Formats: sequence, C-alpha cells, structure tokens
Amino acid sequence: AQKVTQAQTEISVVEKEDVTLDCVYETRDTTYYLFWYKQPPSGELVFLIRRNSFDEQNEISGRYSWNFQKSTSSFNFTITASQVVDSAVYFCALSELPAGTALIFGKGTTLSVSS
Amino acid sequence: SQTIHQWPATLVQPVGSPLSLECTVEGTSNPNLYWYRQAAGRGLQLLFYSVGIGQISSEVPQNLSASRPQDRQFILSSKKLLLSDSGFYLCAVGEQSYEQYFGPGTRLTVT
Repeated sequence: AQKVTQAQTEISVVEKEDVTLDCVYETRDTTYYLFWYKQPPSGELVFLIRRNSFDEQNEISGRYSWNFQKSTSSFNFTITASQVVDSAVYFCALSELPAGTALIFGKGTTLSVSS
Repeated sequence: SQTIHQWPATLVQPVGSPLSLECTVEGTSNPNLYWYRQAAGRGLQLLFYSVGIGQISSEVPQNLSASRPQDRQFILSSKKLLLSDSGFYLCAVGEQSYEQYFGPGTRLTVT
C-alpha cells in the first residue's frame, strides 16, 4: 500500500537559516509521482513541484530545492535562507498511475520562521 | 489555467442540520474533481473523486455524499451533520499532468 511519511511535525528556525523538510514514501509501483504543496495560514494549498519516478535529478527554484533519491525512497525539500513568508504547513504527496489518481498526502510539517 | 471557486468560505452549522458545499471550476473542461477534508492538526483525507458527470467514487464511508451535476460543478452534501464533520474542506482539480490544484476551501464548524 502507498504511504507518505513526514516525520517532522514542527520545525522552528530563525530567518536566513537553511531548513530541510523530510519526506519518505512507500509504493509498489515503478511509475509514480511525488509532489510538494505549501499551505499558508490562509488555508489554500499551493502546488510547488511534481517529480516523476524516472527523473532523479535534483531541482532548484530560487531558494527552494528538492532532492529525490529512489534508493532511500525520499523526496526532501530544502529552503535556503528562510524568510518569515516561508512560514506554512508543507505537505509531501504521492500519486500512482493512472493519471488522475487521488493524491496520498503526508501529515505535513509546520515550519515557523521567526525574524 | 483553471480557477476554482468554493463557497461558502466559512460555515457554522448545528449538529443534525443539512450541508451543501459547492465547488465550481473555470478554465478547463472534463477535469477530475476531488473533495478532501483536513481535520484540525491533521493531513488531508480524500473523501470523493469524480472523473465525469454523474460519476462519483467514495473513499471513506461516512454520512457525506457528493454529486457532479455539471462538468465543472462538484457538490458535497450531508443530510445530518455530526460533530466529527467539522474541518476544512478542499475541492481540487486534477488534469493529465498529474498534479492537483486546490480551491480556497470551506471551513466548517459543527456545533
């Protein structure tokens, strides 16, 4: 059965610190997709990134970077030089084929960035 | 890109009262639609999904139901609310790109 584990429930950092959010997944499929979403205090989930199981290249987008390692079934998310606006709940999610299958979410990590 | 509307934004209802939450989508056609619930301090739980008009799949047995009367309209209902129905309800749209996009949500408090 598929499962997503975000072991860190809450993380607190001070502005400009780097922070890594961990995500470990379980699936029996060889083809699957991984996602990260951000949920700011307003509540709406914001899509950040999608990764398919055949693409293990790390991705960088501004201060955000993602490290996908199939060998450890992990898809970790790093925020460099964190800012107060990064404070939110971050969810990792998994989707298997076919397209349109519902996402399996982890329980989320609450990130608090203080000034 | 699509736009997802949900209403109402917030709702306070007594136990035993009916419920109707609406989700409408613009900017896409024949999308997959989803209802998720997020209880306080917990992750997201898939409630229903629909791949087309009148086609509803339920993931969790409960006193909630869903309907899709039009291609871009998805409704979540209940005949009698329970205290445990309180939570944040999110409608999502999924397309062939696999990711899902979420609406602004409805915060339901059952008293």
